[in-house]
Amino acid sequence: DGGITQSPKYLFRKEGQNVTLSCEQNLNHDAMYWYRQDPGQGLRLIYYSQIVNDFQKGDIAEGYSVSREKKESFPLTVTSAQKNPTAFYLCASSPYSSFKNIQYFGAGTRLSVL
Amino acid sequence: SQQGEEDPQALSIQEGENATMNCSYKTSINNLQWYRQNSGRGLVHLILIRSNEREKHSGRLRVTLDTSKKSSSLLITASRAADTASYFCATANTDKLIFGTGTRLQVFP
Repeated sequence: DGGITQSPKYLFRKEGQNVTLSCEQNLNHDAMYWYRQDPGQGLRLIYYSQIVNDFQKGDIAEGYSVSREKKESFPLTVTSAQKNPTAFYLCASSPYSSFKNIQYFGAGTRLSVL
Repeated sequence: SQQGEEDPQALSIQEGENATMNCSYKTSINNLQWYRQNSGRGLVHLILIRSNEREKHSGRLRVTLDTSKKSSSLLITASRAADTASYFCATANTDKLIFGTGTRLQVFP
């Protein structure tokens, strides 16, 4: 899992609640990414950030929000607007701001709805 | 939409056998990457092959790329029980890295 730390490992969300997933990297990477993985499926991009204080929507950004105030941190908030949040969430980083680069992943956070 | 489609979806073999997984994609790419995911864990990068390369090796891994057929294959030779995992291809261009649905490999001792 390299130098990327995701926390918590498991998270439970109540109806109408916002929850925040943490992602920290000590690799000095410029770019960071959030993916959602559903059972038996590949990864889908939620948000990405190529530089501090800037981020872009991915393919499934609705119901999610992010911030990138520090280079090493890229937290993801799952808002109450996300009606089907149960999934495995993966954070990744890459050295440079290009999708052509190798990505390094954290160990993931499994989110369930109570 | 996901670009990479992998085949087979699941593969079971005995230790010592070779495992081959295939990936097909739809549009032009800059490179194609293979990742491994142990159950309930993050992905780990295995190998990257550029669009102008046809074959690449890394230890027991061999990757081929055929851009005319828009396909790639990952061969794991002399498999071990520890190779049990899901394997994903990911196609990269300037503005996207798109993951396939993965092949679940089970290697029996």
